[in-house]
Amino acid sequence: SAVISQKPSRDICQRGTSLTIQCQVDSQVTMMFWYRQQPGQSLTLIATANQGSEATYESGFVIDKFPISRPNLTFSTLTVSNMSPEDSSIYLCSVVAGGQTEAFFGQGTRLTVV
Amino acid sequence: GIQVEQSPPDLILQEGANSTLRCNFSDSVNNLQWFHQNPWGQLINLFYIPSGTKQNGRLSATTVATERYSLLYISSSQTTDSGVYFCAVYSGGGADGLTFGKGTHLIIQP
Repeated sequence: SAVISQKPSRDICQRGTSLTIQCQVDSQVTMMFWYRQQPGQSLTLIATANQGSEATYESGFVIDKFPISRPNLTFSTLTVSNMSPEDSSIYLCSVVAGGQTEAFFGQGTRLTVV
Repeated sequence: GIQVEQSPPDLILQEGANSTLRCNFSDSVNNLQWFHQNPWGQLINLFYIPSGTKQNGRLSATTVATERYSLLYISSSQTTDSGVYFCAVYSGGGADGLTFGKGTHLIIQP
C-alpha cells in the first residue's frame, strides 16, 4: 500500500485565517480525495482532487471555502479558508492506486479554530 | 446516493468477549471496507471485502453482496480494540469516493 504523509498533523488557528494542508504519496496514484470528520461524527467526502484541473466538489462544499490543488500524481493540498470555529474538524487525505478500488488514508490533520 | 447503516452504534464489552458489528447498504457496491479509527484519529484499514469472507488474526469479515450487508467479527477482545469501527462503500459510476456509515463505538473494559 502507498505511504501517505499529511502535514500538519494538528494546528490551532485564529478565526478568519486560512490553513493549507498537504498530502504527499510515495507513489503515483490514480485518485486522491479529501474528507472532513467533524467532532463525534463520521467522515464526509469534500472533493475529488483532479490532476491538473479543478477539483470535483460534493454537495455542500465550494471551491471558495475549500480550494484544492493537485499539480501531479503524488501531491495535493486542501486549503480551509476564512476559518470559523465550525471548521474545527479532522481533515483526511485518501488515495486509491491505479487499477484498484481499495482506499488508504493519511493520518489526518486535527484543526481547531479559536 | 447510497445509504450505509451500522449497528450497534455503541458497544461495551469485557476483555475476552466476542462481538459482531453489522453494516447494511442500500445499493450494489464495487468496494466495501472496514476501518478502525484509533484514539488519535488515524484510520486503520482492516478489510477490503466487496464480497466473501476474510480473516486476519482475531478479526474476520463477511460480505453478502446480494443481501447488501457485511459483518465484522472480533474475537477475544482486547482493550486495544477499543475505538470506532467504520464501514465504507464505493458504488462506482463516477469519480466519487467512499460513503461512510456512522460507525460503531466499541469500548473494551479490562
